[in-house]
Amino acid sequence: KNEVEQSPQNLTAQEGEFITINCSYSVGISALHWLQQHPGGGIVSLFMLSSGKKKHGRLIATINIQEKHSSLHITASHPRDSAVYICAVSRLDTDKLIFGTGTRLQVFP
Amino acid sequence: DAGVIQSPRHEVTEMGQEVTLRCKPISGHDYLFWYRQTMMRGLELLIYFNNNVPIDDSGMPEDRFSAKMPNASFSTLKIQPSEPRDSAVYFCASSLIDSRNEQFFGPGTRLTVL
Repeated sequence: KNEVEQSPQNLTAQEGEFITINCSYSVGISALHWLQQHPGGGIVSLFMLSSGKKKHGRLIATINIQEKHSSLHITASHPRDSAVYICAVSRLDTDKLIFGTGTRLQVFP
Repeated sequence: DAGVIQSPRHEVTEMGQEVTLRCKPISGHDYLFWYRQTMMRGLELLIYFNNNVPIDDSGMPEDRFSAKMPNASFSTLKIQPSEPRDSAVYFCASSLIDSRNEQFFGPGTRLTVL
């Protein structure tokens, strides 16, 4: 079993829809990261959080440490949000990031 | 700052050849990470450095892979000899502190070994 699991693997939406991507992990962590990878391949860090909730524009990330679960929400989705969203965790015992397999999101106009 | 710089952006080589990938981290960042991304395995950490010193290379697949960081502004990842299964996108990333802080990724090098 992977230490970081994401769901769904693929997601399609109509422009304007509210989107949720989930991430569950099985190890102790010091932080959780949400990354975005666009079709061109570049990777951008969206959020890093260790508790609670963070918001940036239309993106919201939450984490529940007790349940070992995080969600990434996109409000009023837009075709430019189409990308692969990757969850990664910083393990408590190392400085290494462990990655989920990613969620491929396509938003249609 | 120009961000993390990687070169080349694309590399096509034949099996058995030596391949060298290069990375320039963001100035002032103490940590440098090398990752590999494939369709089958996703993103994997290969090795990371702190203040130019390799800290963990447990992700390096085998002895054919080696990485160096001779100074704070330059790192190389070398594959010798290369094999078709090494075909992947290799990313370099840097951060101010460690993986608990935001990492800044380079554009990646797409390697194809024929």
